[in-house]
Parts: sequence; structure tokens; C-alpha cells
Amino acid sequence: DQQVKQNSPSLSVQEGRISILNCDYTNSMFDYFLWYKKYPAEGPTFLISISSIKDKNEDGRFTVFLNKSAKHLSLHIVPSQPGDSAVYFCAASADDYKLSFGAGTTVTVRA
Amino acid sequence: DTGVSQDPRHKITKRGQNVTFRCDPISEHNRLYWYRQTLGQGPEFLTYFQNEAQLEKSRLLSDRFSAERPKGSFSTLEIQRTEQGDSAMYLCASSSLVTRDAFFGQGTRLTVV
Repeated sequence: DQQVKQNSPSLSVQEGRISILNCDYTNSMFDYFLWYKKYPAEGPTFLISISSIKDKNEDGRFTVFLNKSAKHLSLHIVPSQPGDSAVYFCAASADDYKLSFGAGTTVTVRA
Repeated sequence: DTGVSQDPRHKITKRGQNVTFRCDPISEHNRLYWYRQTLGQGPEFLTYFQNEAQLEKSRLLSDRFSAERPKGSFSTLEIQRTEQGDSAMYLCASSSLVTRDAFFGQGTRLTVV
């Protein structure tokens, strides 16, 4: 069963604007969440993570928000750049550290 | 470069042959994971090691699959009697016990013909 869901398969955004990617999870044991970026034929690149004891984490242009009561997290990218065009995966883990992934959201940044 | 390294990057094999992939994790990382990714899906967990101990195997990992991590350093994933359904990207990742952030290698793309 899919414990991590990314319901938007794709997102198109204009360069310079904000990209917002969403992710929902069902397993209440998940306590650590990560976002990865992936280009074709390459492995996922770690972007940012957040522990369940926080509700926000920032790193440069990337901010992750966690709403535990809604079992929802989002990734904000501001401003979006052409190099951000990629597939973004949301992942979650419990105390065994193994990751459960969503199916990904393809982001296209338009010039 | 001290990232996760996987070898080979690409492997084409005939159905029924055995293949072996290697993963070298980030040197100070205790945990090593194998995942498999097929087109249009997120990576799926296969197995993981803490040091040299294999702690869990997914039900996706049939008896044809075996993984080792001798001496808690590099790891190998072997697939025996490959089938066309084994065609996928095989990803290796490592993490420490402190940060929980997992870092992935470039993957090995397996094509079974």
C-alpha cells in the first residue's frame, strides 16, 4: 500500500515564481521526512529534511513545511530557476530509517 | 568525491544470467540501503544493513536476490537467473545513525533482454 502520496504528477511554473509541491502520508509512525530531486538516469539528490519535532525547515531557496495533524508536508522553492526542472520525490521514515517514497512530481520551470 | 559510488552504471544481460552490483557508501556511514526504481514510480525499499548486519529484507526481494556487506564497508547485490521483470534502476544509499539523511548513488540501470 502507498504510505506516501504525491497527488500531483506534474507542475509547471514560470521562472522566478514559487513552486509548491505537496505530499501526504498515512503512517503515523513516520517521524522524519525528506525531499529529493532526480534528473533522468541519475540517482536522487537529497534536498532538505525535517523532523517531526519541527514544523518548518529552510535551506536557501528551499523550505519544507510539516503539518502533523493533517499528515501533510510541502516543499516551497523560491524563486524557481530553470535548473529546478526535475522530478521531486517526497520520502518518509520511522525509527527504522528505511524510506518510503511517493511517486514523484515532475516540475517544469518555464522561461 | 566522497559520495556514494555504484558500479556499473549500466548493465545489459540476457535472461537467466546472474548479475552483481557494487555499492561503496560514504565512509563514515553505518547504514546502507538498496532500493529499486521502475519507470514512473518512486524508489522501493529492498534491504538494508547496519554495519555488516542485514537487518531487514523486503518481500520484493525474492530468493533470487542476495545482498552482502562484508566487514561493514562496500555492499554487493546479486540477482541470480535474471528475469525481464528485474529490469529497473537499482539504487544504493547510505546514512549515519546521527542525521538520518540518506544519500544516494548514481544507480545501476539493469536491462534484461
